[in-house]
Amino acid sequence: DIQMTQSPSSLSASVGDRVTITCRASQSIGNSLNWYQQKPGKVPKLLIFTASNLRSRVPLRFSGSGSGTDFSLTISSLQPEDFATYFCQQSNSAPYTFGQGTKLEIK
Amino acid sequence: QVELVDSGGGVVQPGRSLRLSCAASGLTFSNYDFHWVRQAPGRGLEWVALISHDGGNTYSTDSVKGRFTISRDNSKNTLYLQMNSLRDDDTAIYFCAQEDPGLRAFVFWGQGTMVTVSS
Repeated sequence: DIQMTQSPSSLSASVGDRVTITCRASQSIGNSLNWYQQKPGKVPKLLIFTASNLRSRVPLRFSGSGSGTDFSLTISSLQPEDFATYFCQQSNSAPYTFGQGTKLEIK
Repeated sequence: QVELVDSGGGVVQPGRSLRLSCAASGLTFSNYDFHWVRQAPGRGLEWVALISHDGGNTYSTDSVKGRFTISRDNSKNTLYLQMNSLRDDDTAIYFCAQEDPGLRAFVFWGQGTMVTVSS
């Protein structure tokens, strides 16, 4: 099974900051990497698919990059509504494992 | 619009069974692979199982193999998860999710149904 390691597990930042979350796969997954945002009590929401493609209606301040084993999610200028937990997920092969999550908190 | 409605959760004793359902509308159900994902209280997301669009292929994570069975009824636009021999660590919110084949990602999710395994 492919293991996904996300870092950091938590992050404190301020509105307007630029933040980056990383995700590493235990083996190459090409570009089969997705990013989800989840707010407390809510369903996960797809932000980025196949490593770098922004889902429609997701703000342009979100971006994704990487291929192979190393990936990142960047938020260019944090907005109040961005404080949430972010998960990466590989869709290269079953089981479609998730990273352990990064909780983004307000500093 | 696409809607996935999860149901069937509840409180159950260890060793007992439960069947979850996910009723889909607003899409051609039989065109899509579907998944179950769970989230234990205060924890991250854990992928549980998948079923192909026609039900011909299934796969589940090791911790539920031999206990959980994913299935679907395309005539009823409904996905199922039969959970047997439940354990304390199966306690979680269970979400169904639709995989978009072009995006290779989970676009639509059910609202989740809570399963609590406790004596």
